Amino acid sequence: DGGITQSPKYLFRKEGQNVTLSCEQNLNHDAMYWYRQDPGQGLRLIYYSQIVNDFQKGDIAEGYSVSREKKESFPLTVTSAQKNPTAFYLCASSAGSRTPLHFGNGTRLTVT
Amino acid sequence: DQQVKQNSPSLSVQEGRISILNCDYTNSMFDYFLWYKKYPAEGPTFLISISSIKDKNEDGRFTVFLNKSAKHLSLHIVPSQPGDSAVYFCAASGLEGGSEKLVFGKGTKLTVNP
Repeated sequence: DGGITQSPKYLFRKEGQNVTLSCEQNLNHDAMYWYRQDPGQGLRLIYYSQIVNDFQKGDIAEGYSVSREKKESFPLTVTSAQKNPTAFYLCASSAGSRTPLHFGNGTRLTVT
Repeated sequence: DQQVKQNSPSLSVQEGRISILNCDYTNSMFDYFLWYKKYPAEGPTFLISISSIKDKNEDGRFTVFLNKSAKHLSLHIVPSQPGDSAVYFCAASGLEGGSEKLVFGKGTKLTVNP
């Protein structure tokens, strides 16, 4: 059954710690994305990758880093430099331009 | 500066009636539009899309209308069912600076009452 797996579903960290969110897809999609959702807000793009070993900053990349060493995997690291890291993080993939995004079920990160 | 606006944060309708969700955009570069549905604690799922060469696209109970001159699109759900209760996001896509840009609205929470 093809899809996107994000783990864990809930994550708690202390302020000042880096944390990595996992995203794996078995849809054979080239493009992968990370979005952040805050209450009452739309989805804001953090980073995206259109091909292995290449990625681009989105609208709110500060305080985040990514890697794309494998087609299936696009982990997101939330660094201590991110001022407001508590949020719902969504990973997505797509088959290409003008095709709908497929989303994972998200990771809710709480930093205290 | 919001390029994609969903001005109604919430909408409540009775089961069996029509639900109409609205979306406005400001940037003329957008030429492909999508609607996503999201349940709590889940990722959004794709619902329906429309290209700017069309003014209507239908899929079962869901119809999207596009008015390019008004930079407005709407999603109609007929008849509405309680399982349609979710947050609906409008998204607009277009080429900017040589790359595809996708922008989401803030969402409208639809409640369908039995």
